[in-house]
Amino acid sequence: GDSVTQMEGPVTLSEEAFLTINCTYTATGYPSLFWYVQYPGEGLQLLLKATKADDKGSNKGFEATYRKETTSFHLEKGSVQVSDSAVYFCALRQGGKLIFGQGTELSVKP
Amino acid sequence: DAGVTQSPTHLIKTRGQQVTLRCSPKSGHDTVSWYQQALGQGPQFIFQYYEEEERQRGNFPDRFSGHQYPNYSSELNVNALLLGDSALYLCASSLRQGPSGANVLTFGAGSRLTVL
Repeated sequence: GDSVTQMEGPVTLSEEAFLTINCTYTATGYPSLFWYVQYPGEGLQLLLKATKADDKGSNKGFEATYRKETTSFHLEKGSVQVSDSAVYFCALRQGGKLIFGQGTELSVKP
Repeated sequence: DAGVTQSPTHLIKTRGQQVTLRCSPKSGHDTVSWYQQALGQGPQFIFQYYEEEERQRGNFPDRFSGHQYPNYSSELNVNALLLGDSALYLCASSLRQGPSGANVLTFGAGSRLTVL
């Protein structure tokens, strides 16, 4: 069945460092892909999305490109801030439901 | 504009008991989905309701049931609670019909259930 695999965390970076969180997927067809973020004690917030191959989603300095050939949707940010500390989830849409990866915890130190 | 609201935020139950969690969708949304998020894991789909009917179901036993009301609000019921049911239960709403990409899920903050 369809699945999402994320790089394991936790990831610890210094402020202003470059961030990459890897995400690969297995799916039939070309599902929409998403990144959600979960801050401590809160629910999930949509960070960005891409609905077809080669689409680039972007928001708040974060970017991810839908790569059909490598079945990947890696999340990147050029300069992270302490406020970016959270858990990040990659997900694909299968019909009416989302299938999530296990999440990657990011900790940014001043 | 109110987002998705869930209640209660926290609750503690004992094994064998039953629990009901409630969700009010974002204004304008007509579809409600429920997810279970165990500690340190990604959310897992339980089921989805639209027009007061269960439309899609994940790999969860019949102990998990739900309901959707005419005002689109929803309940998740879990019977015969097990220790393994301890988790954050997330409600998400969306608009079923709309232009491509419009049916993005909006999540609530969740109800944290602890089963002792």
